[in-house]
Amino acid sequence: AQSVTQPDIHITVSEGASLELRCNYSYGATPYLFWYVQSPGQGLQLLLKYFSGDTLVQGIKGFEAEFKRSQSSFNLRKPSVHWSDAAEYFCAVGSNQAGTALIFGKGTTLSVSS
Amino acid sequence: GAVVSQHPSRVICKSGTSVKIECRSLDFQATTMFWYRQFPKQSLMLMATSNEGSKATYEQGVEKDKFLINHASLTLSTLTVTSAHPEDSSFYICSVDRGRGEQYFGPGTRLTVT
Repeated sequence: AQSVTQPDIHITVSEGASLELRCNYSYGATPYLFWYVQSPGQGLQLLLKYFSGDTLVQGIKGFEAEFKRSQSSFNLRKPSVHWSDAAEYFCAVGSNQAGTALIFGKGTTLSVSS
Repeated sequence: GAVVSQHPSRVICKSGTSVKIECRSLDFQATTMFWYRQFPKQSLMLMATSNEGSKATYEQGVEKDKFLINHASLTLSTLTVTSAHPEDSSFYICSVDRGRGEQYFGPGTRLTVT
């Protein structure tokens, strides 16, 4: 079955500390992987994506993610968290086939403490 | 990235009435759009795939007679919630399929049925 697992429902990080959000996937085809961020009551903003090539991808707002095929993982990292990073983060998987919807994980809520 | 708008952003309606939500792709001609539903503090669940000029494809468990989807042009898809009930209250988000697994999301519509 195709699925995305985000093991951490809620994470609290001190401002300035580093962050890692975990994401594991199960997908039959070559996965295209995404991280989105959602602020309360808002739509989704794409942070970064991985299609192929370099397994370490850089995104917006200082985020990066590393694709590890052997572990079926695509973890999101940020070296120094800002209070404005507090939000809901979703990992998603899709394919290069047109008309294929994304499969989302359940999300991780990030809280930032001062 | 692609610009996707949704209208209205918020709507309150009485039980038994119908509500139409519009999703517009402002800078891309979209053959395929997707409609997702998100309950509070939960992930996005795909409701249906909207295909321009043809019938939508609904996910299992989604009532096609209740959630009417029309994709009459390459820039507009509409979702009509018919005979709405309080349990239909949710956050509805559309996305535009730009191919290669890439989707751009609208800002969402908060539906409250009283």
